[in-house]
Amino acid sequence: KNQVEQSPQSLIILEGKNCTLQCNYTVSPFSNLRWYKQDTGRGPVSLTIMTFSENTKSNGRYTATLDADTKQSSLHITASQLSDSASYICVVSLNYGGSQGNLIFGKGTKLSVKP
Amino acid sequence: NAGVTQTPKFQVLKTGQSMTLQCAQDMNHNSMYWYRQDPGMGLRLIYYSASEGTTDKGEVPNGYNVSRLNKREFSLRLESAAPSQTSVYFCASSPDGQDLRFGQGTRLTVV
Repeated sequence: KNQVEQSPQSLIILEGKNCTLQCNYTVSPFSNLRWYKQDTGRGPVSLTIMTFSENTKSNGRYTATLDADTKQSSLHITASQLSDSASYICVVSLNYGGSQGNLIFGKGTKLSVKP
Repeated sequence: NAGVTQTPKFQVLKTGQSMTLQCAQDMNHNSMYWYRQDPGMGLRLIYYSASEGTTDKGEVPNGYNVSRLNKREFSLRLESAAPSQTSVYFCASSPDGQDLRFGQGTRLTVV
């Protein structure tokens, strides 16, 4: 069964600290993996996308990694800010093409950054 | 650019009432989607439309209907609302079926 599991479910860190969120998937055939950030009361916004051949992608203080062999991805946040408080959702695309998306969503990690 | 616009942002319905959630996008995307998001469940696909004039069921279509009015607009209708449909609804559009652009969401409560 195609699944995306994220851990931890929630995380509290102090402002300025680093953190790493995990995403494990059992999705085949794999096309790409995206991390979304969802602020409270808003829709998700894409942070990074990685295809099978990419193992690192950065977007400012956000760095995503992908290990296609172990089917694991991580999102590392450096020098956290209060504005990083949000839910982070891992989404894996199946390589079936078409427009239905064939997207498998993780349930998200809720990050709280405290002053 | 407005992106994806959903209306209304909040709605309270009584059990059995009907309503339509509106969604419009200005990015000329072919594909549009309706998701619901519940605590602990993540985002689940209700219906999608690969192109104007076509619609298909997603993971949780029961109790909903959709209309792809034109390329810009994709509406979601609840014919007889039930408390189990209390949720946050997100509309999304995509140029390629993978890169989703989400609206701000509609928070629906059915009492």
